[in-house]
Amino acid sequence: KNQVEQSPQSLIILEGKNCTLQCNYTVSPFSNLRWYKQDTGRGPVSLTIMTFSENTKSNGRYTATLDADTKQSSLHITASQLSDSASYICVVSQYSGGGADGLTFGKGTHLIIQP
Amino acid sequence: DTEVTQTPKHLVMGMTNKKSLKCEQHMGHRAMYWYKQKAKKPPELMFVYSYEKLSINESVPSRFSPECPNSSLLNLHLHALQPEDSALYLCASSRNSLNIIGGNQPQHFGDGTRLSIL
Repeated sequence: KNQVEQSPQSLIILEGKNCTLQCNYTVSPFSNLRWYKQDTGRGPVSLTIMTFSENTKSNGRYTATLDADTKQSSLHITASQLSDSASYICVVSQYSGGGADGLTFGKGTHLIIQP
Repeated sequence: DTEVTQTPKHLVMGMTNKKSLKCEQHMGHRAMYWYKQKAKKPPELMFVYSYEKLSINESVPSRFSPECPNSSLLNLHLHALQPEDSALYLCASSRNSLNIIGGNQPQHFGDGTRLSIL
């Protein structure tokens, strides 16, 4: 069964500190892995998309890594800001050989940045 | 502001009412999606439209009826909903590819319609 597990479920850090969120998956065959940020009351916003051949991808202060061998990904946030408070959702796409790829969503990590 | 616009932002309706949710994008995307999201849960895919044709229906009850009148618009018609259907309904779009669910293209989400069924 395809699964995406995220940890921690929730995290509180002080403004200016760094943090790393984890995503482990069992989706196979793998197509790509996405990280989304969802602010309260808003729709998700895409941060990064990584395919099998990509190990790391950055978007400003967000850096995602992917280890396709161990089926693990991380999202590192540098110099956190109050606006980083949100849920971060990991989504893994299953390759279907030209048909409709399946998407498996993680339950998200709820991040709170305290001043 | 997002590039995917959903209206209304909030909707309260009774179980016997008929209402519609609307979604609009002008990015030239040819794949559009409806998701349902309960509190503190990830979005759950409901429907996928590709080139204005319904390509995926994730076993959604018939009280939800999608419609794609043109490449920019996506509607979700609601009838005889149940209290458990109360949720945030998200619309998304992506540039279409052979892999219908976005391939390696990002999905652009609207901010959703918060639906409450009395």
